[in-house]
Amino acid sequence: DAGITQSPRHKVTETGTPVTLRCHQTENHRYMYWYRQDPGHGLRLIHYSYGVKDTDKGEVSDGYSVSRSKTEDFLLTLESATSSQTSVYFCAISEWDGEQFFGPGTRLTVL
Amino acid sequence: SQQGEEDPQALSIQEGENATMNCSYKTSINNLQWYRQNSGRGLVHLILIRSNEREKHSGRLRVTLDTSKKSSSLLITASRAADTASYFCATDEGQGAQKLVFGQGTRLTINP
Repeated sequence: DAGITQSPRHKVTETGTPVTLRCHQTENHRYMYWYRQDPGHGLRLIHYSYGVKDTDKGEVSDGYSVSRSKTEDFLLTLESATSSQTSVYFCAISEWDGEQFFGPGTRLTVL
Repeated sequence: SQQGEEDPQALSIQEGENATMNCSYKTSINNLQWYRQNSGRGLVHLILIRSNEREKHSGRLRVTLDTSKKSSSLLITASRAADTASYFCATDEGQGAQKLVFGQGTRLTINP
């Protein structure tokens, strides 16, 4: 999986609790992305980063925040998890040519 | 916004047959990409075709792009059981290659 790891791989949490998902890359790629995948919606972009401390919103950013303090790490935080954020979350990386490499995913369940 | 829409949503064929999946999109693009996802795994990039290209090949894969119709097709020839997966098209909506919008995917099943 192109030097991308996600942690944790599975998490069950309760409504209202904060959750942080981590994406780590060893490829030194400039761009990093967070997507969520839900039945009937395909993959939707949450946030992405185009450099250290440089981030921008995607299609479904409400309720999520991100941080990138190092090239290799991109964190996704749910400040107060809701049941609607139950999903599979994928991290991806890319350089300029547009091809994205995906991590193995994190399955998050919010009860 | 949902940019790409794949058709059909599900496809089941016999091993050795060809599989064709279609993708339609709404806005101008710089490029269109196809990805494969095996069950429970992340997406794997298959092929990227730029807006000034009409056809591209990679092994048993052939992708066509018709910008006038805002559509693309992915052909897998001589299918194998290992091709069983979901296939997604993704476009950049002309905003640059970094922000992709994915379709909902075609679930392909290859029967032995």
